[in-house]
Amino acid sequence: DAKTTQPNSMESNEEEPVHLPCNHSTISGTDYIHWYRQLPSQGPEYVIHGLTSNVNNRMASLAIAEDRKSSTLILHRATLRDAAVYYCILRKTGNQFYFGTGTSLTVIP
Amino acid sequence: GAVVSQHPSRVICKSGTSVKIECRSLDFQATTMFWYRQFPKQSLMLMATSNEGSKATYEQGVEKDKFLINHASLTLSTLTVTSAHPEDSSFYICSARDQTSLSYEQYFGPGTRLTVT
Repeated sequence: DAKTTQPNSMESNEEEPVHLPCNHSTISGTDYIHWYRQLPSQGPEYVIHGLTSNVNNRMASLAIAEDRKSSTLILHRATLRDAAVYYCILRKTGNQFYFGTGTSLTVIP
Repeated sequence: GAVVSQHPSRVICKSGTSVKIECRSLDFQATTMFWYRQFPKQSLMLMATSNEGSKATYEQGVEKDKFLINHASLTLSTLTVTSAHPEDSSFYICSARDQTSLSYEQYFGPGTRLTVT
């Protein structure tokens, strides 16, 4: 299984930026980095993904370290609706997702 | 956007019976679907990869005779939990990949809560 390591929980004040870290030291050259988030009793929702370069979309930004052994999901202005469990996943060539433990993000009003 | 549905959303069954869960891609075709299981306060665990028209590929430790997977069309995969026991109670989630997409993004269903009494 592709291994990722994330902090169990993080807190952020509303409307402030949030940086969610992920370590993936065993990443191989063809592994994509995907981020999903999950609200209680719901299926995960796609956030962003990347291979080598930093990526931006309407939801977030993904900063990938030069050696690709770590990445950071950036939420530019946290809202209460961003409170969720965030999963960093390595997608291997077989397209399977192996989820790590994830980071539970609490947003404080 | 791509939508994946699951039916039923909740099911309660008696120990020893079988239950079928459906996973449908509503607006795209999916040659590959995935089944996950999630226990309370835990992460998702990949159970199997469902391939349209062929046998599913099960992850190590997942009993293929207990969790029967059928992917008979490009929009439907089913998971049947046979002879269910209380320890099979869990949140079952499917996902599907749009075969025309280059992003390899998986679209997840809303999940099915199975309770075995």
